[in-house]
Formats: sequence, structure tokens, C-alpha cells
Amino acid sequence: RKEVEQDPGPFNVPEGATVAFNCTYSNSASQSFFWYRQDCRKEPKLLMSVYSSGNEDGRFTAQLNRASQYISLLIRDSKLSDSATYLCVVNSASYDKVIFGPGTSLSVIP
Amino acid sequence: DAEITQSPRHKITETGRQVTLACHQTWNHNNMFWYRQDLGHGLRLIHYSYGVQDTNKGEVSDGYSVSRSNTEDLPLTLESAASSQTSVYFCASSAGHPNQPQHFGDGTRLSIL
Repeated sequence: RKEVEQDPGPFNVPEGATVAFNCTYSNSASQSFFWYRQDCRKEPKLLMSVYSSGNEDGRFTAQLNRASQYISLLIRDSKLSDSATYLCVVNSASYDKVIFGPGTSLSVIP
Repeated sequence: DAEITQSPRHKITETGRQVTLACHQTWNHNNMFWYRQDLGHGLRLIHYSYGVQDTNKGEVSDGYSVSRSNTEDLPLTLESAASSQTSVYFCASSAGHPNQPQHFGDGTRLSIL
């Protein structure tokens, strides 16, 4: 089993739709979690950190479920500009265990 | 504003040549990282550093080396470039605590012919 797995995608959704991505991780000692977005071979950019209590940033909501070892990202009211690859990142206590998921591709269609 | 910059943005070289990619950050971050990204693979960690004079091997370190002589810079050297090292290379930095996210440079597209 891979250390971090994501929904295979690609997700093709119409503008205005709500879309959710899941990410599972295998290391129960993982301590911090993030979502990044990456546009077409550009650098990954931090979208949001994921906190134990769940957190929201505008149209984006992130959730953490430690018992089931997954995190999720919900995007409401999708915009064309949301089209990108979304990377799930899991940190353990040591830096050599910073694991980037393979990414889920999202295309928002007019 | 603080930033992280990579140079060159694009480079073409021949097999067997030594190549050095530069990474410079003004965040004053202790931690710096080098990744490569290839189609069909996620980001893969090459080397990382926790601070000056500290370097560590990542998942795919063979054929690469780094040095950390100051806080701002972590150059990545390909000792003898191979075609398998054609890739997009990203440098990243983060503050000292593992709970802090990494911030990435724009990337270097390296082609080895």
C-alpha cells in the first residue's frame, strides 16, 4: 500500500458544482496535513493546512479523520480557475517523511 | 517580500556533464528541499537540509549532491548527468517545525541529451 493515496481522477465538473477529494495515508504517526494545488507543471502552491477540527477558507473546506486515516477537500461553487491538480501532503515528525500524494486532476467545465 | 528563486529556469545539457541548479530563499528558513517531478510520478525527494552544514539523502539521491554553506542557498549538483535525470526540479523551504508547510520555487526544467 502506498503511503499516501488519492482519488484517481480526473474529475470533470461543471462550473458551480461541488466536488470532493479524498486522500488516505498509511502512517498513523503522521502529524500534519496540507492541501496544495499545482497548475500545469508549475510549482505546487499551498492551498490550506488541515486541522484536526476541520477548517474552511472561502469555498474550500478541509477535514481530517485520524481514526480512518484520511483527509478530504471540498470545493463548493467550482470556478474555471479551480482547474488544477490537487496534492495531498502528509508530514510525520521527521522531514524525510514528508510525503506528497500523486495528485488528483480537476477540470471545471464552462 | 520573502521568496524562493531557482535558476536557471530551463537548461539543456549533454550526458556526462556536471550540472548545478541554484536555489536561493530569503525566508530565513532552516529547512530546504530538492524534489524532482516526472510524468507518472509525484514529487520525489532528492536531498534535504535542516540547516547550515547539514545535508541528508532523500528517496532518489543517487547521482545528486547538495551542500549547505549558508542559510539562503542549497545548490543541487548532478555529478555526471544522465538522460534519466531529465525532469522538472523543484526547490522548497520551510520553517523549523514539521507542522510548517513547504514553499516552492518556480522550478527548473532540465533536459539531458
